[in-house]
Order: sequence, then C-alpha cells, then structure tokens
Amino acid sequence: EVQLVQSKTEVKKPGESLTISCQASGYTFSNYWIGWVRQMPGQGLEWMGIIYPGDSDTRYGPPFRGRVSFSADRSTRTAYLHWSSLKASDTAIYYCARRLGLDYLAFDFWGQGTVLTVSS
Amino acid sequence: QSVSTRPPSVSAAPGQKVTISCSGSSSNIGNNYVSWYQQVPGTAPKLLIYDNNKRPSGIPDRFSGSKSGTSATLDITGLQTGDEAYYFCGAWDNSLGAGVFGGGTKLTVL
Repeated sequence: EVQLVQSKTEVKKPGESLTISCQASGYTFSNYWIGWVRQMPGQGLEWMGIIYPGDSDTRYGPPFRGRVSFSADRSTRTAYLHWSSLKASDTAIYYCARRLGLDYLAFDFWGQGTVLTVSS
Repeated sequence: QSVSTRPPSVSAAPGQKVTISCSGSSSNIGNNYVSWYQQVPGTAPKLLIYDNNKRPSGIPDRFSGSKSGTSATLDITGLQTGDEAYYFCGAWDNSLGAGVFGGGTKLTVL
C-alpha cells in the first residue's frame, strides 16, 4: 500500500529555520517525483515544486524560488522541504504528494499534510 | 491567476449533474494535461482526473473530464451528498515553468 507520512504540526517564530519531512512507503521511492503543495488558511492549492528522488532533479514554482529548498534521501525514502528563514506568510498546510505519469500536476497519493504556524 | 475555475460555487440536488469549468491559455491548458482534484475540508486533496480524461483506480465513472482548446471541464453525474467538496483543476504552465491550480469551485449538494 502506497503511503506518504508527513511530520507533525510545527509552531515557529519568524526568522527561524525549519525542515519538514515526507516518508514514503509501498513503492520504489526513487522512481517517482514528489511534489509539494501549499494551502494557506481558507485558500486554494499552490504548486510549490517537485523533486525526483532518483537524481534530485528539482523544479520550483516562481513564488517559491529562493524561499524554500527540496531534498530527498533515498536511504530513508524521505523527502524534505526546508526554509532557512520563516515569515509569518509561510503559515499554511503543506502537502507532499507522489506524481503520477507525465503530468506535473497529477498527484495520486498524498500525505496527510503538515500544519505550519509562524508567529512572533 | 493564469488558470481559473468557474463557477466559484455551485449547488445541485442529489442525483443531478454539475459541470465545473477550468479556463486557461495556450501556455497552460492549451498545450498541457489537465488534472482535477476533490478536497473535502480538513482532508488532503484527492485526484479525480489526470491526463485530461483518465480516472485513477477507485474513482467512479460518475466523474469525467474533457478538454477543448484552452478550457477543460469536469462533469459529475448522479450527485451524492458525499460529493460536497471543493474542486480544483491544475495544469503545467510553460511560460511560468511551473504548475498552476485554479482557484477552486465549492460544490454544495442540497
């Protein structure tokens, strides 16, 4: 059974750094892109970007370039989303998801989401 | 927004059919695949349609997708109360070099 399990809820202060995780199971981790999607409170979905664990090839959405970074550890089957300096506007739910096929927006399995609150 | 979902909200009775539209441009929908998602508040999105009109395993054929030019549509027939959710479309945008989602449509099943 394919599963993506994300790290727990986080409460951080502006300026702090943070890494959240997404651990995959039930399939060959290296062979599927992992995407990250942001959902700000009461808002729609935003495509943050995507990483291929096989070679760490990445794509970032324009609003997120330089603000976040993706990484993947094949030995632990885990993808990571990292901020070096958080802002209050980063408050949101962050989802990881497995890409299906050729479509960059087709994600067939999703993590449960990590809730991030950034507040002073 | 480069991709928009219309209408912002729609209501229909159980058993009826609704159509949700996704409008874009040649840089996104016109030249790339469209996906559709269902999101019940408080839960992760669920993929309903990918590659314009394909359904993942487990998605009933009450949900169907199509694309023509720079627009796409999601049809939901035989509405059920469990279909009450937000629906989002998405596509790759060649100009942005990124994926884009529409703003979403709220479906209420009366």
